[in-house]
Amino acid sequence: DAKTTQPTSMDCAEGRAANLPCNHSTISGNEYVYWYRQIHSQGPQYIIHGLKNNETNEMASLIITEDRKSSTLILPHATLRDTAVYYCIVRVASSGNTPLVFGKGTRLSVIA
Amino acid sequence: EAGVAQSPRYKIIEKRQSVAFWCNPISGHATLYWYQQILGQGPKLLIQFQNNGVVDDSQLPKDRFSAERLKGVDSTLKIQPAKLEDSAVYLCASRDGAGGAVYGYTFGSGTRLTVV
Repeated sequence: DAKTTQPTSMDCAEGRAANLPCNHSTISGNEYVYWYRQIHSQGPQYIIHGLKNNETNEMASLIITEDRKSSTLILPHATLRDTAVYYCIVRVASSGNTPLVFGKGTRLSVIA
Repeated sequence: EAGVAQSPRYKIIEKRQSVAFWCNPISGHATLYWYQQILGQGPKLLIQFQNNGVVDDSQLPKDRFSAERLKGVDSTLKIQPAKLEDSAVYLCASRDGAGGAVYGYTFGSGTRLTVV
């Protein structure tokens, strides 16, 4: 799986959009970008994933650059409950049951 | 559906003592994972089971850690004897055996172990 680089921490004002970047310059053509988050005292939780097109669901939007070397997770209206560590993971979708490999992620603090 | 259950939620032990953690995965999930998460780091895989067989235990410190999933359902992770550096959160995750997308992984809330 390709390596990812994320900022260690970010702050965001409540109600504003939180934009979390991820660099994955060695991503290969069959690798997807996945985002998970981990709220304090809980296990990681799936947010969204994409290959090359932008994706949106009820939780977030994922913007992937045209060259696929970086992406941004967008929480459009951050709330205090979005304070968590966010992990960007790159892997082949057909990896089956191979375990998720986590980096250190980005610690997002949403401030009132 | 019920989530992945883990117990206990917290445990404090002295070094050189033993400890055991329990995990009950989502019903029907064939694959079970144990992760160790040290403060400030992402979770790191310790062992993966497929039903009651071990798929990958290459990162399990086998001199002190052991894990089993005897009937292919519940699993226990044991540490004997514990060291100070074993202080961490131990996460259990499960996934059904049919494959599918990465959002199929479900994590428990973990057991926070403090070794003093």
